[in-house]
Amino acid sequence: AQSVTQPDIHITVSEGASLELRCNYSYGATPYLFWYVQSPGQGLQLLLKYFSGDTLVQGIKGFEAEFKRSQSSFNLRKPSVHWSDAAEYFCAVGRYNAGGTSYGKLTFGQGTILTVHP
Amino acid sequence: DAGVIQSPRHEVTEMGQEVTLRCKPISGHNSLFWYRQTMMRGLELLIYFNNNVPIDDSGMPEDRFSAKMPNASFSTLKIQPSEPRDSAVYFCASSTRAAGEQYFGPGTRLTVT
Repeated sequence: AQSVTQPDIHITVSEGASLELRCNYSYGATPYLFWYVQSPGQGLQLLLKYFSGDTLVQGIKGFEAEFKRSQSSFNLRKPSVHWSDAAEYFCAVGRYNAGGTSYGKLTFGQGTILTVHP
Repeated sequence: DAGVIQSPRHEVTEMGQEVTLRCKPISGHNSLFWYRQTMMRGLELLIYFNNNVPIDDSGMPEDRFSAKMPNASFSTLKIQPSEPRDSAVYFCASSTRAAGEQYFGPGTRLTVT
């Protein structure tokens, strides 16, 4: 069964600093990979996704993530954090079936809470 | 595009009462998911449907919980009878099976007193 680990429960950065949130997954084949963001009192919003191809994917709000198969990682990065980025971030993994479409069910990590200091 | 719609946004009820949460997925999406989020347990998948058929309900905590999807544009999650430990935020999400990414609704915050 697939699993997702986000090693950092809580990260604090200063506004303007760079950010990297870690995500490690366990799955035997090439997975679908996602990052979601949840602001307080809101639902989860999709930041970016990786299906295949270029291992560096760009998302909304200036975020990017890099798929590293050798490390089973899909870390989220942003070069300069804004105060509005304070939220909880979830990494998720899905999987393909033999026909190349998704089974539909995602496995989510436990989330990383990001605090941004002015 | 309206996105996933959930109602009500907030529900406060007394222990023992029946609670029904509602979800309208994005038009054209053929998969629908119900999640529960709490501080203690994080985000838990309760049940999901493909083409209105329940595929995996292994996350449904007890027989008090039931979910239906009578058509492609509507689903309900029912708790009967409700208990204080059911207090949580319940999210509905939908996706196209081929794409995989899920789009979440704003959630229903349930408080059972």
